Amino acid sequence: ILNVEQSPQSLHVQEGDSTNFTCSFPSSNFYALHWYRWETAKSPEALFVMTLNGDEKKKGRISATLNTKEGYSYLYIKGSQPEDSATYLCASTGNQFYFGTGTSLTVIP
Amino acid sequence: NAGVTQTPKFQVLKTGQSMTLQCAQDMNHNSMYWYRQDPGMGLRLIYYSASEGTTDKGEVPNGYNVSRLNKREFSLRLESAAPSQTSVYFCASSEYYGRVREPQHFGDGTRLSIL
Repeated sequence: ILNVEQSPQSLHVQEGDSTNFTCSFPSSNFYALHWYRWETAKSPEALFVMTLNGDEKKKGRISATLNTKEGYSYLYIKGSQPEDSATYLCASTGNQFYFGTGTSLTVIP
Repeated sequence: NAGVTQTPKFQVLKTGQSMTLQCAQDMNHNSMYWYRQDPGMGLRLIYYSASEGTTDKGEVPNGYNVSRLNKREFSLRLESAAPSQTSVYFCASSEYYGRVREPQHFGDGTRLSIL
């Protein structure tokens, strides 16, 4: 079992603030790192898949970076909006997906 | 454009009863997964099937069995339900190319309560 950790566990920000959170994973035998967005009462939806050290991905106001040598990925949200409120999950993959416990983001209008 | 379909969406069981959760995907994915989601625990893998004809235990397999019926369908069975199995269950599927697994596609979940 791969130990994937996310921090912080929860986060409250004001609308318009930018924020970021961290996913840590074992750097040995790394294949890929996934980010998902999970809204309450829905199912997780994929945001990014990153494979190469130094990868940067962007979708609208959300972006992510990857450091495979030190085993971490950052997810950034620029100018947070209430609709960004969700749990953000990361997963490292080998022959299966190893999920962190997520960061719960609440954006206060 | 169904994606991953889970049935039922809700179920209440009594301790000791058995039931099967059904999952089907129409994306021709090789790999399928069953997770449970509990408060503060994130997603925990119960069983997965890397390809048709194979199944493997995940992190929390005790009390469950699975069947990969064909490429489309992957069912999860609770033989003798226990209150500790009260949870939300998600089925997912994905494809992989070389060593890299494509993102998982999730069903809408089954909310299961064991009394």
